[in-house]
Amino acid sequence: DQQVKQNSPSLSVQEGRISILNCDYTNSMFDYFLWYKKYPAEGPTFLISISSIKDKNEDGRFTVFLNKSAKHLSLHIVPSQPGDSAVYFCAASSYGGSQGNLIFGKGTKLSVKP
Amino acid sequence: DSGVTQTPKHLITATGQRVTLRCSPRSGDLSVYWYQQSLDQGLQFLIQYYNGEERAKGNILERFSAQQFPDLHSELNLSSLELGDSALYFCASSPRTSDYEQYFGPGTRLTVT
Repeated sequence: DQQVKQNSPSLSVQEGRISILNCDYTNSMFDYFLWYKKYPAEGPTFLISISSIKDKNEDGRFTVFLNKSAKHLSLHIVPSQPGDSAVYFCAASSYGGSQGNLIFGKGTKLSVKP
Repeated sequence: DSGVTQTPKHLITATGQRVTLRCSPRSGDLSVYWYQQSLDQGLQFLIQYYNGEERAKGNILERFSAQQFPDLHSELNLSSLELGDSALYFCASSPRTSDYEQYFGPGTRLTVT
């Protein structure tokens, strides 16, 4: 049973436009959510995070929105750049910070076309 | 470069064999985490060590074991290997045991033939 779901395996966007990556979760005990970016032949790189007490967190071109009632979060990238092309993983923490292991989705492959 | 190193990068071995994957965390990080990424799967948490002690266990098979040494490097031992164990194995580290943000190494690609 997948607790963190990324239902879109891939997304293609034109350079300069907005990219929206979505993530749904089932466990209401999750209290922290993260997005990781992964290039081929590299490990995942931390991108941005949000605590469950917030509904929005912004860092430059990246914004994460959290809708707790819908158990849904999204990552917005504006404007999208070709260098953003990568696999994006959504992750959630299930232990409230006492233990740091993360539950990951299967990822969404973003392609930003020039 | 995350500062986390993993060796080897690639490993090809036969079914029934045993292998050891090695991870060196970022300087100063006390927690080490192991994840497995199989084909079409997200990263599955295997096990966490903090300052030499096991802190959390995930979907780790009994044929797999890990340890963290006094110098904080960690090893993941996989034995009686099966074809289904073929995967990318990632190590991550963080300064403490309760960090949300983890820093990942480049991974070891294991192929079991």
